[in-house]
Amino acid sequence: EIVMTQSPATLSVSPGERATLSCRASQSVSSNLAWYQQKPGQAPRLLIYGASARATGIPARFSGSGSGTEFTLIITSLQSEDSAVYYCQQYNDWPPWTFGQGTKVEIK
Amino acid sequence: DVQLVESGGGLVQPGGSLRLSCAASEFTFSSASMNWVRQAPGKGLEWVSSISRSSSAIYYADSVKGRFTISRDNAKNSLYLQMSSLRAEDTALYYCASRSCSDGECPFDHWGQGTRVTVSS
Repeated sequence: EIVMTQSPATLSVSPGERATLSCRASQSVSSNLAWYQQKPGQAPRLLIYGASARATGIPARFSGSGSGTEFTLIITSLQSEDSAVYYCQQYNDWPPWTFGQGTKVEIK
Repeated sequence: DVQLVESGGGLVQPGGSLRLSCAASEFTFSSASMNWVRQAPGKGLEWVSSISRSSSAIYYADSVKGRFTISRDNAKNSLYLQMSSLRAEDTALYYCASRSCSDGECPFDHWGQGTRVTVSS
């Protein structure tokens, strides 16, 4: 089973600043990596797939990068509505499909 | 817009059973693999089970294998999860999620709002 590890657990960022979230896989997942956003009381929403492709309707301030075992989600010019928990997930080697434990982004 | 609506959750005693349903609309249900993902209170996301488009391939997390059964009815655009021998640790919000592949990319692209399962005496 591939273990996904996210850091940091919590990130506090001021509006308009940049947030950088990390995700590490215990073995290579190529570019088969997705990022999901989950706002309080809501279902997860697909943000990024293929490590760097934005899903339909996702603003350009969200960008993903990486391949192999190291991945990054960057949110530029953070807005209040970006307050959420962000999960990475690998879909390269399954089952099981595995998620990271999440990074909570707070707005200062 | 794609809609996935879960139902069937509730309070059940340990050792009991429950059947969850997920009704899909506004997309070609038969073209997507379907999944159940759960989230225990205050915790992260845990994949539970997956079923292929034609039901020919079915997978379970080790934590539910032998106790849960996933199925689908493409004619009714519906996904199901039969849960038995329920334990306290199965308490969670259960989401159904589609997995539609495009250009070799197969993330979980659409999610329902979830149905809550509480296992307690």
